[in-house]
Amino acid sequence: KQEVTQIPAALSVPEGENLVLNCSFTDSAIYNLQWFRQDPGKGLTSLLLIQSSQREQTSGRLNASLDKSSGRSTLYIAASQPGDSATYLCAPEGGAGSYQLTFGKGTKLSVIP
Amino acid sequence: EAGVAQSPRYKIIEKRQSVAFWCNPISGHATLYWYQQILGQGPKLLIQFQNNGVVDDSQLPKDRFSAERLKGVDSTLKIQPAKLEDSAVYLCASSLEGVYNEQFFGPGTRLTVL
Repeated sequence: KQEVTQIPAALSVPEGENLVLNCSFTDSAIYNLQWFRQDPGKGLTSLLLIQSSQREQTSGRLNASLDKSSGRSTLYIAASQPGDSATYLCAPEGGAGSYQLTFGKGTKLSVIP
Repeated sequence: EAGVAQSPRYKIIEKRQSVAFWCNPISGHATLYWYQQILGQGPKLLIQFQNNGVVDDSQLPKDRFSAERLKGVDSTLKIQPAKLEDSAVYLCASSLEGVYNEQFFGPGTRLTVL
């Protein structure tokens, strides 16, 4: 069974700071990995999809890296803004003989103005 | 492009009652997913459809949950009878095909069972 851990569980930073969110997974035989954000009471918004053959993916101020062999991914957010406040979830697809997305519990980010 | 639509957004029922949720995926998306998200947890897959066939329902509590996808487009998820532990957000997602493709999520239905 694929298991996903996200560290830290919660993070509070002042506006403008660069930050890194960490995700680790137990089975490296994945097809891809997706990062999502979830605002309170809302559904999930897809941020980045990294295919298993890729090392990183960038979108605006977001950069996600993937080290499949070590079972790790990081989401880097540059110049954080209050609007970035949300819960960030990582989800590898596949591993442990499944084709599913397996989600971590997320990192709750608060950016203080 | 319209996103994934879900209704209702909120539902409050008493235990042992039945409830149904509806999902309309993004046009052209062959794969549809239903997830259950309990407060403080990440979403857990309940069932995956490819067109109107079931690909994976291994985590669906089949004694009380059922789902169907009519004509490979809209889908409904039903709970009958509901238990207190079914209180959660039910999320629908869709993708072009299954593996390798980005999943797009709807706003979810928040179910409270009293």
